[in-house]
Amino acid sequence: DAGITQSPRHKVTETGTPVTLRCHQTENHRYMYWYRQDPGHGLRLIHYSYGVKDTDKGEVSDGYSVSRSKTEDFLLTLESATSSQTSVYFCAISERGGEQFFGPGTRLTVL
Amino acid sequence: GNSVTQMEGPVTLSEEAFLTINCTYTATGYPSLFWYVQYPGEGLQLLLKATKADDKGSNKGFEATYRKETTSFHLEKGSVQVSDSAVYFCALRSANFGNEKLTFGTGTRLTIIP
Repeated sequence: DAGITQSPRHKVTETGTPVTLRCHQTENHRYMYWYRQDPGHGLRLIHYSYGVKDTDKGEVSDGYSVSRSKTEDFLLTLESATSSQTSVYFCAISERGGEQFFGPGTRLTVL
Repeated sequence: GNSVTQMEGPVTLSEEAFLTINCTYTATGYPSLFWYVQYPGEGLQLLLKATKADDKGSNKGFEATYRKETTSFHLEKGSVQVSDSAVYFCALRSANFGNEKLTFGTGTRLTIIP
């Protein structure tokens, strides 16, 4: 299995609070991605990174920001969580032209 | 833009039945096509892929053929098992060099009953 961990695995928070999710890889892959999974929508890309400090928006980036200061870590931040951001969040990694490997997911509940 | 449409679920089959999950796509050029599987409580795993027209991807008894003429990549298995119960996602990656993003379908939940 690809070395990808996500933390925390579960989180319950309140509306308006900031939340940071962490994705950590040990594979030294260049590309990293954050997706959210919701019923009826499949997986939708939030943000992705194509190198240290190089990031770009995906299709559902509003309300989210990311940072990548090291190859191995990709952080997803919800500056002020809303109930619509209740979801399961997946991190993925890849090399150019290769398959994406997914982490185990983080279940976030915003009350 | 790119899009993937896959068969609505859920799908329930008896063990040893034949499985087809339909997937069609919209994209320019020749994208790469994938099927991912998600078992309960886990992340997605690549099941199979095809990178050019008429390629057949196969793994664990599952097959899918890249049909450019019908823009389809249907997933098939001749005899399903209870352990195949999972959610299946069809996805594509653009043909544009350097564009590594995947576009996913909405997923199809498959349940196999003994």
